[in-house]
Amino acid sequence: GAVVSQHPSWVICKSGTSVKIECRSLDFQATTMFWYRQFPKQSLMLMATSNEGSKATYEQGVEKDKFLINHASLTLSTLTVTSAHPEDSSFYICSAAPYRYTFGSGTRLTVV
Amino acid sequence: AQTVTQSQPEMSVQEAETVTLSCTYDTSESDYYLFWYKQPPSRQMILVIRQEAYKQQNATENRFSVNFQKAAKSFSLKISDSQLGDAAMYFCAYRRLNAGNNRKLIWGLGTSLAVNP
Repeated sequence: GAVVSQHPSWVICKSGTSVKIECRSLDFQATTMFWYRQFPKQSLMLMATSNEGSKATYEQGVEKDKFLINHASLTLSTLTVTSAHPEDSSFYICSAAPYRYTFGSGTRLTVV
Repeated sequence: AQTVTQSQPEMSVQEAETVTLSCTYDTSESDYYLFWYKQPPSRQMILVIRQEAYKQQNATENRFSVNFQKAAKSFSLKISDSQLGDAAMYFCAYRRLNAGNNRKLIWGLGTSLAVNP
């Protein structure tokens, strides 16, 4: 139990386009979703926290207009990287609460 | 603000041996949770063990156990009978107990564990 499905696993997009990453809680209600960014061999950097039905709370330094987070239902949260640039290339991970912060499998984004 | 420190960027252990990963944290709270997560090369985050600060008994999960020293604010992870599959990044994390809507985890920088056959 307590599975978070994250899609896509990897995506390559052109600079200037937008990319949407989805995280679905398959067998529980995710009241809170955390979105992280992780660079190779580094720790997780929290980007934002979203509670179902509320606006996301962004961490300091994270551009809310660039990283759009939607948590419209208890089973689905999305992260949209708008007008992506090569510096946005990274590994993005979602994590749902409750249930011990179940993590998605991550999305490797490459912007070319 | 709470902080989590993992002072060992890299460690290695021989297969079947025991290794201990260190973690210290700083907080003014008395009630909180502490976690150890494993991130193998697949990059899937896996919960290894969780400790509630109000519990004096150290948490144990099979070959994984912790040494929780609340006064010293130390939370080390011991891996016994190390296996090749234990090779991964290990992250220590902290969360306030009564966090309301602010349930975010505070993360250490991680320890990369290599297991030598």
